[in-house]
Amino acid sequence: GAVVSQHPSWVICKSGTSVKIECRSLDFQATTMFWYRQFPKQSLMLMATSNEGSKATYEQGVEKDKFLINHASLTLSTLTVTSAHPEDSSFYICSAFGPQSVDTQYFGPGTRLTVL
Amino acid sequence: GEDVEQSLFLSVREGDSSVINCTYTDSSSTYLYWYKQEPGAGLQLLTYIFSNMDMKQDQRLTVLLNKKDKHLSLRIADTQTGDSAIYFCAETLNTGGFKTIFGAGTRLFVKA
Repeated sequence: GAVVSQHPSWVICKSGTSVKIECRSLDFQATTMFWYRQFPKQSLMLMATSNEGSKATYEQGVEKDKFLINHASLTLSTLTVTSAHPEDSSFYICSAFGPQSVDTQYFGPGTRLTVL
Repeated sequence: GEDVEQSLFLSVREGDSSVINCTYTDSSSTYLYWYKQEPGAGLQLLTYIFSNMDMKQDQRLTVLLNKKDKHLSLRIADTQTGDSAIYFCAETLNTGGFKTIFGAGTRLFVKA
C-alpha cells in the first residue's frame, strides 16, 4: 500500500530555534498533504492543509508565521516550527490521501518534538 | 458544527468482542474511518466505510454505520491483548476541500 514517511522521527531543540519536519509520499504523488498535531493522550488536531504549488490552508487558531508549510513537490511537504518554545512540544503527524483519492488516508509515523 | 465524539475507555477480556462507538455531527461526511494508535506510534488505518454504506466486514472487524443517527461503531471479534491501543474514529468532510475530523480516541484495555 501507499507509504508516507516523516523525518526526523524525533527531535530535541533549544527554545528559540527552528525545526523542519519533512513528510514524503514514497510511492505515490500527493497533491494534498495534511499536518496534524497531537498532544499527549489527546486526539489529532488538524493544523493545515498543504497544497502542492500553492499556499497552505491553515485551521483557525494556527499561526501561519509560526508553522511554515512548504509543499514544493508532489511527494514532499515540510513543516517548519519557527522560534520554537516548550509549548510547541508535541507529536506532529502528516498524512496524504492515497492514490485512489479520499477513500484512504495514509499517515506518517509522526515526529516527536521536544523543545527545551 | 464539526464534532466527533467517542467514549474514552473500554475494558474487555481476551476472547470477548469489543464494541467501540462514535457519534458525529456533520452530515456532509463522505468517508468514516477507524484508526489504531499504539503507544508512541503513528496512526494505522484499520478500516473505512463510505457514507452510503451500512456495514463493512473485514476479518475480525465489523463497522456499522447508522447515518440517520450519525452513529458509527467498530466491533472487534475475539479481542486479543495485541488489540490494546487507542482507537480513533474520524470523518472526512467535503467542504469545498477535504478535511478530516478526529474523535478523542477510545483507549481499549484487553485483560488476559
